[in-house]
Amino acid sequence: QVQLQESGPGLVKPSQTLSLTCTVSGSSISSTTYCWGWIRQPAGRELEWIGRIYDSGTATYNPSLRSRVTISVDTSKNQFSLKLSSVTAADTAVYYCARYDFWQNWFDPWGQGTLVTVSS
Amino acid sequence: DIVMTQTPLSSPVTLGQPASISCRSSQSLVHSDGNTYLSWLQQRPGQPPRLLFYKISNRLSGVPDRFSGSGAGTDFTLKISRVEAEDVGVYYCMQGTQFPLTFGGGTKVEIK
Repeated sequence: QVQLQESGPGLVKPSQTLSLTCTVSGSSISSTTYCWGWIRQPAGRELEWIGRIYDSGTATYNPSLRSRVTISVDTSKNQFSLKLSSVTAADTAVYYCARYDFWQNWFDPWGQGTLVTVSS
Repeated sequence: DIVMTQTPLSSPVTLGQPASISCRSSQSLVHSDGNTYLSWLQQRPGQPPRLLFYKISNRLSGVPDRFSGSGAGTDFTLKISRVEAEDVGVYYCMQGTQFPLTFGGGTKVEIK
């Protein structure tokens, strides 16, 4: 059974860089069917797709965040990571990592999510 | 970007009664490969989202058959034939046809 778990600081200061890691267990992150994505959900608002990455390291980002986002993968650790620079209060959200089937175009399963608050 | 609009925002339902959720996209979700990449997710209180259906009506293993997905083009529907207590939560549609991937605003199903 595939499981994903987000980890990282729950509090980030404005203008700094938010960094999160997603650890995948129960399956290799190297796959011919799946890639790996990040989604966030500000309190009371809808889900927002941030980006996705293949095991090769090729990433696709939401244009609304592209200038500030970097997603990377470490296949040796079965992990992928998110960096979001120059954060503001608007980046406060629950951040989820999830597996993405790039043939059928769906997300499942999702990690439990981690709340990141941007505040001084 | 494709905008996904869900209605209603909230659906109070009596146990055992049906519920229906509508999802409308701002443009057709038919991909150039002929498939329609519309999925439905369920988020129970305190839980992450969970995939219920992909490509409109393909049910994931373990999803009760009281749930059904239907629709085409720009109009899609998730139905629960008889709502049970465990169905309480927020339901989201998501389109995977075009980047950026986008989600509907969510519909909260609650028991009257």
